[in-house]
Amino acid sequence: AQSVTQPDIHITVSEGASLELRCNYSYGATPYLFWYVQSPGQGLQLLLKYFSGDTLVQGIKGFEAEFKRSQSSFNLRKPSVHWSDAAEYFCALLRYNTDKLIFGTGTRLQVFP
Amino acid sequence: DSGVTQTPKHLITATGQRVTLRCSPRSGDLSVYWYQQSLDQGLQFLIQYYNGEERAKGNILERFSAQQFPDLHSELNLSSLELGDSALYFCASSVGLAGGGSYNEQFFGPGTRLTVL
Repeated sequence: AQSVTQPDIHITVSEGASLELRCNYSYGATPYLFWYVQSPGQGLQLLLKYFSGDTLVQGIKGFEAEFKRSQSSFNLRKPSVHWSDAAEYFCALLRYNTDKLIFGTGTRLQVFP
Repeated sequence: DSGVTQTPKHLITATGQRVTLRCSPRSGDLSVYWYQQSLDQGLQFLIQYYNGEERAKGNILERFSAQQFPDLHSELNLSSLELGDSALYFCASSVGLAGGGSYNEQFFGPGTRLTVL
């Protein structure tokens, strides 16, 4: 069965520090992979997506993610975190030719000034 | 603003009651999705409609039903409510359907927070 695992429930970083949020997936083939951000009281906003090709993908708000097939991972990174990045981040998987998103449990990011 | 609207924003009701959540997709989008976000189950896909027809089902309880109307708005009906149904219900929309390797980005609404007392 397909699944997404986000090992870190809660991460705290200082403003200006670098960030890496972990995501591991389970799927027999190469999935479509996504990172979404959910700010308080807001819906989910797509940060970036990976389908194929270049394994390093750039997204909005200065985020990037790297797909590593050998590790079944799709970790999200940002070189310098801003206070406004405090939110919940979800990694998600989409099977080929389907519309059903499978989400991880999310990682809550707290940013200290 | 994604362009997807959901009403109401908050809903408080009692066990055993029935409620209806409403979603208006982005202009031009034919697919509508419903997701449930709860502390116990996380964020789960419930159901998808495309141009008025049901296309995919996830972990949707039999007490829950949905429909998509000719004007493409969708409603999620939750009946015989239980405490465990308290959650944030998201609607999303996309232009079409997956197929031939194509991908339809889903745009999410702000959600309806349901509290069952």
